[in-house]
Amino acid sequence: SQKIEQNSEALNIQEGKTATLTCNYTNYSPAYLQWYRQDPGRGPVFLLLIRENEKEKRKERLKVTFDTTLKQSLFHITASQPADSATYLCALPTTSGTYKYIFGTGTRLKVLA
Amino acid sequence: GAGVSQSPSNKVTEKGKDVELRCDPISGHTALYWYRQSLGQGLEFLIYFQGNSAPDKSGLPSDRFSAERTGGSVSTLTIQRTQQEDSAVYLCASSLYSTQANYGYTFGSGTRLTVV
Repeated sequence: SQKIEQNSEALNIQEGKTATLTCNYTNYSPAYLQWYRQDPGRGPVFLLLIRENEKEKRKERLKVTFDTTLKQSLFHITASQPADSATYLCALPTTSGTYKYIFGTGTRLKVLA
Repeated sequence: GAGVSQSPSNKVTEKGKDVELRCDPISGHTALYWYRQSLGQGLEFLIYFQGNSAPDKSGLPSDRFSAERTGGSVSTLTIQRTQQEDSAVYLCASSLYSTQANYGYTFGSGTRLTVV
């Protein structure tokens, strides 16, 4: 069955450094992958989508890569700020419906001032 | 409205009682989704509504769960005879169309359900 893995351990980094989060998936080849940010007590907020034919996508300080051979996406936040502290989720459409997504459990990022 | 609105934000109920959770999607969004987020778990798909089409109920965990969407807008998720394992955050999301992957879902803040 389709599976997504994100590092469940929290990631602590110093302000100004680049944070790198990993999303690995198995057992299928999605046409695209999404990243969301979730703050405590809030619903996830959509950040970026990357398609299978795109190696890299950027939005301001965010950069996402998509390696369909490794079945992995990396999510980078450059020049990180304490306000970037949140849980970051990756999501993939399921094989049974592109409107239905599998979400990872998320990686909690803490940026230390 | 400006965003997806869910109510109540918190609900504590006794085991065996029925609960209703409400979702008011963004005006004009034709697709509406319910997901459940349990502690330490990824979001779990429950049900999907698209316009006037029959809903995809394939994610509902048991026949105690049901949902409806009236007039293509507000949706209610009902859990009958609640059990402790139903405790979770129930998230509603909407999107303009189900195929608008470029914009992702817009989620509400969720209803935290605690069954005691």
